[in-house]
Amino acid sequence: EPEVTQTPSHQVTQMGQEVILRCVPISNHLYFYWYRQILGQKVEFLVSFYNNEISEKSEIFDDQFSVERPDGSNFTLKIRSTKLEDSAMYFCASSLTGYGYTFGSGTRLTVV
Amino acid sequence: KNEVEQSPQNLTAQEGEFITINCSYSVGISALHWLQQHPGGGIVSLFMLSSGKKKHGRLIATINIQEKHSSLHITASHPRDSAVYICAVTPWGNQFYFGTGTSLTVIP
Repeated sequence: EPEVTQTPSHQVTQMGQEVILRCVPISNHLYFYWYRQILGQKVEFLVSFYNNEISEKSEIFDDQFSVERPDGSNFTLKIRSTKLEDSAMYFCASSLTGYGYTFGSGTRLTVV
Repeated sequence: KNEVEQSPQNLTAQEGEFITINCSYSVGISALHWLQQHPGGGIVSLFMLSSGKKKHGRLIATINIQEKHSSLHITASHPRDSAVYICAVTPWGNQFYFGTGTSLTVIP
């Protein structure tokens, strides 16, 4: 069964550093999403991406965040200057139609 | 403000019991999703509903659009069903609102 792959599974970074979280969506999917889950809290929507541009973003997705689909297969989330409160599990998801989603297994980001 | 409310927050059941998890939402939606989050953190999409009822194996999901309410039922529960079950809604557009999840533990 096709999968959404996220790498790395765990990333530790120093506060203030830039991180790039990587996702390989299912190959024929057209809609891409990033979510995060701070430990002990609910999952939160960050951004959706379609047709090479952001289609929706939440209040969380401020100027320190950016997304890219650099080569037609990867979908990346960049955090420019990490803060302690960015520590969370980050999930990527993709969808063929915008309905019905496949989630990746997540990247646990720890900012120290 | 919570657009999505789930109940109960925690649920412990004996193996074989019938389980119901409820979800209420306050916004107009195009679809409602039930997700399962495993202890390791990975998320699996179980159902997407915009009306009526869906069944997959021992799982049944229903939605009442007029009442803005959905239920997830698990028949003949098993310890491997132990997970967090999350209700999420998509209003028109691509935004998602998530519930806080229901933590289910099924005891052998």
